Amino acid sequence: DAKTTQPPSMDCAEGRAANLPCNHSTISGNEYVYWYRQIHSQGPQYIIHGLKNNETNEMASLIITEDRKSSTLILPHATLRDTAVYYCIVRVATGSSNTGKLIFGQGTTLQVKP
Amino acid sequence: GAVVSQHPSWVICKSGTSVKIECRSLDFQATTMFWYRQFPKQSLMLMATSNEGSKATYEQGVEKDKFLINHASLTLSTLTVTSAHPEDSSFYICSARSDRGQGTGELFFGEGSRLTVL
Repeated sequence: DAKTTQPPSMDCAEGRAANLPCNHSTISGNEYVYWYRQIHSQGPQYIIHGLKNNETNEMASLIITEDRKSSTLILPHATLRDTAVYYCIVRVATGSSNTGKLIFGQGTTLQVKP
Repeated sequence: GAVVSQHPSWVICKSGTSVKIECRSLDFQATTMFWYRQFPKQSLMLMATSNEGSKATYEQGVEKDKFLINHASLTLSTLTVTSAHPEDSSFYICSARSDRGQGTGELFFGEGSRLTVL
């Protein structure tokens, strides 16, 4: 079962920041937070991941609370092409005893509107 | 980024036939690949973990004799849906992790293969 909780849907105005929340209150110390998105009828696309510190890349920023029980994915300037289902997933690092598989929850459908 | 390719991207077959879907990592080696299934308006459901040179590990409730997985090389895994029936119609997606990305490396996903069984 997925270990994260996300709102089922959100709207965002084009050009504005999209802030997508995720709760992972049972996260373990060795689990990372990953974000993927899936545009309709395509395979999921990796966005970003983090453990404790906030992370930023060319696509987004990831803010993880100090207690690590929740996080927020920020798309700084949403465009119409960012309309997709966004999945927040917790996952242990790959090692000899695990494969690092991803278990998807229901995700948040983000609709970016003109 | 790394590229994972699936073939075919869509397939229509008659009930009772078998269909093979290929998943290739184009620019990296992947000891481990994963197969997912996705029904309309639902999330991805992990079916099995494919390991190069060994048997696949299936998730609970997934019939291993129905969904045959072969991972014969470090860049290719195949999923064969045997004796397909209309209820097997779905979007099948594979993912692969670069062997260089051990630890926290991201998984890369294919474009998906849409199977329709008539």
